[in-house]
Amino acid sequence: EPEVTQTPSHQVTQMGQEVILRCVPISNHLYFYWYRQILGQKVEFLVSFYNNEISEKSEIFDDQFSVERPDGSNFTLKIRSTKLEDSAMYFCASSGYLGDGQETQYFGPGTRLLVL
Amino acid sequence: AQKITQTQPGMFVQEKEAVTLDCTYDTSDPSYGLFWYKQPSSGEMIFLIYQGSYDQQNATEGRYSLNFQKARKSANLVISASQLGDSAMYFCAMRLQNRDDKIIFGKGTRLHILP
Repeated sequence: EPEVTQTPSHQVTQMGQEVILRCVPISNHLYFYWYRQILGQKVEFLVSFYNNEISEKSEIFDDQFSVERPDGSNFTLKIRSTKLEDSAMYFCASSGYLGDGQETQYFGPGTRLLVL
Repeated sequence: AQKITQTQPGMFVQEKEAVTLDCTYDTSDPSYGLFWYKQPSSGEMIFLIYQGSYDQQNATEGRYSLNFQKARKSANLVISASQLGDSAMYFCAMRLQNRDDKIIFGKGTRLHILP
């Protein structure tokens, strides 16, 4: 069964450093997303991406964040100058029909980011 | 604005019993989809079941079923014959039916299955 993959699974960084979180969406999916989940809280939408551009972004997704699809398979989230409050689990998701008529967003396993 | 409400922060259920996790939602849009995800302690988000707002029948997927009551705007998850491995956090979520629209999550219910 196809799945979304994310690397790294864990990332520890110093405050002020830049991090890049990587995702490989399910092949043939066209819509990509980043969400984050601060420890103990609900999952929050960050950004959606379609046709090589941002479709929608939340208030959280400020100039510190950027997304990119550098090639046909990877989808990245860059966080510039990380802050302590950026510590969270970051989920990538992709959406598309899987041939059974059902459409849903499939989530990757997440990257747990810790900013020290 | 869309909103998902899960009123049960935690539940304890005896193994092999059925369990119902409550979810209510709010939207003025007639076209939407409802989801349930399971998050075990390892942290990944596992898709369980989906219900479209125009689906005539309640969704089922193995031991999972979604009790969809459109007039009440509720989408409860029913797990039959619970197992120890069902212990996890469960999130109800909603998305408008535009294909690129974001998913909005509830706060989750932590389910504990007791042996």
